Amino acid sequence: DAGVTQSPTHLIKTRGQQVTLRCSPKSGHDTVSWYQQALGQGPQFIFQYYEEEERQRGNFPDRFSGHQFPNYSSELNVNALLLGDSALYLCASSYRVYEQYFGPGTRLTVT
Amino acid sequence: SQELEQSPQSLIVQEGKNLTINCTSSKTLYGLYWYKQKYGEGLIFLMMLQKGGEEKSHEKITAKLDEKKQQSSLHITASQPSHAGIYLCGADGGGSEKLVFGKGTKLTVNP
Repeated sequence: DAGVTQSPTHLIKTRGQQVTLRCSPKSGHDTVSWYQQALGQGPQFIFQYYEEEERQRGNFPDRFSGHQFPNYSSELNVNALLLGDSALYLCASSYRVYEQYFGPGTRLTVT
Repeated sequence: SQELEQSPQSLIVQEGKNLTINCTSSKTLYGLYWYKQKYGEGLIFLMMLQKGGEEKSHEKITAKLDEKKQQSSLHITASQPSHAGIYLCGADGGGSEKLVFGKGTKLTVNP
């Protein structure tokens, strides 16, 4: 049983560019959450998708947007990249109210 | 908003020693998660605690939830080098909602 998968593993972008990160949830899971983890910090909640709709959102600007597809996979889009967006982006999946399982993350570097 | 404080921030122990990591919440704890993270990688789910006084064990790791103290503790018995990593506690509002994380405790186990 494959767990949560994320792509790409690493990414280097230039300030002002746009980026799309992808996540496939664990089999049987229908909810996907995205987190940003800066170096030395705990993950910060970006948003959560359920039934293809954004259910909750953390304190992140509109430059951060997402999407969930009918197969429950999800994308995170970040526009107008800033140096401060450099971080490890983590995707977590869950089934309804049960525990969240995390993927290996995508390391984004903005230069 | 809820904040989680973990202590200690870092811990260095000799192999075979026992250790405890604490996680204190600024608000009532409903669901408390413990994760382990290798540097720069995804989070590995360890345990989820939901009820006051609940205690769970997995191999040599035991976690407890003290609802009155709004605190959880993670205890490792007879530590091994494989236990090394960053331990993160996360809290939710009682469902599969956004998780708020502590900053993590970095554990080093010397052989």
